[in-house]
Amino acid sequence: GENVEQHPSTLSVQEGDSAVIKCTYSDSASNYFPWYKQELGKRPQLIIDIRSNVGEKKDQRIAVTLNKTAKHFSLHITETQPEDSAVYFCAVHVSGGYQKVTFGIGTKLQVIP
Amino acid sequence: SQTIHQWPATLVQPVGSPLSLECTVEGTSNPNLYWYRQAAGRGLQLLFYSVGIGQISSEVPQNLSASRPQDRQFILSSKKLLLSDSGFYLCALNQNDRFNSPLHFGNGTRLTVT
Repeated sequence: GENVEQHPSTLSVQEGDSAVIKCTYSDSASNYFPWYKQELGKRPQLIIDIRSNVGEKKDQRIAVTLNKTAKHFSLHITETQPEDSAVYFCAVHVSGGYQKVTFGIGTKLQVIP
Repeated sequence: SQTIHQWPATLVQPVGSPLSLECTVEGTSNPNLYWYRQAAGRGLQLLFYSVGIGQISSEVPQNLSASRPQDRQFILSSKKLLLSDSGFYLCALNQNDRFNSPLHFGNGTRLTVT
């Protein structure tokens, strides 16, 4: 089955700095890669996603890059703000019958004012 | 727009008691439905998923079960709760007619087994 590894598990940055979280996966049939943000005590919510036919996608301060050859994708947050503090999960979808979804273990990001 | 209703928001149950958590969805038809559990400070563990009425697949063998009696209803049950069943239970859906679509989560039920 799919194996998704997410690094780092915790990340502290100064406000205004950039944060990068990386995920690697094993199944070459994986074709959809969303990122979710979960604030304390709340549900995960989609912040950005990328499909297998695209190498990079950007939405304001958030970007995701995908390297299908190396089987890894990364979340980039620039000009971090205290409200970016949360747990971030990557996920990998493998199509076929139904969308099998595997999540990374999560990264707790702390932005220090 | 699609909406996921989960209740109750919080629940405290003694060990050995039964459990029934309900999830209903609006604004969509024939969705894939999922039950996830999140232990405190941990990741998302997939418990069950369903691609249609009466179709349930289990990812992790345990004392929990799930049912989908209607297209927009997904129920998580247990006959006897264990301490290890404590956690944050999240119902989620995505579209069944698209190959790649993100999960939308309900607000979750925080279960404490005492």
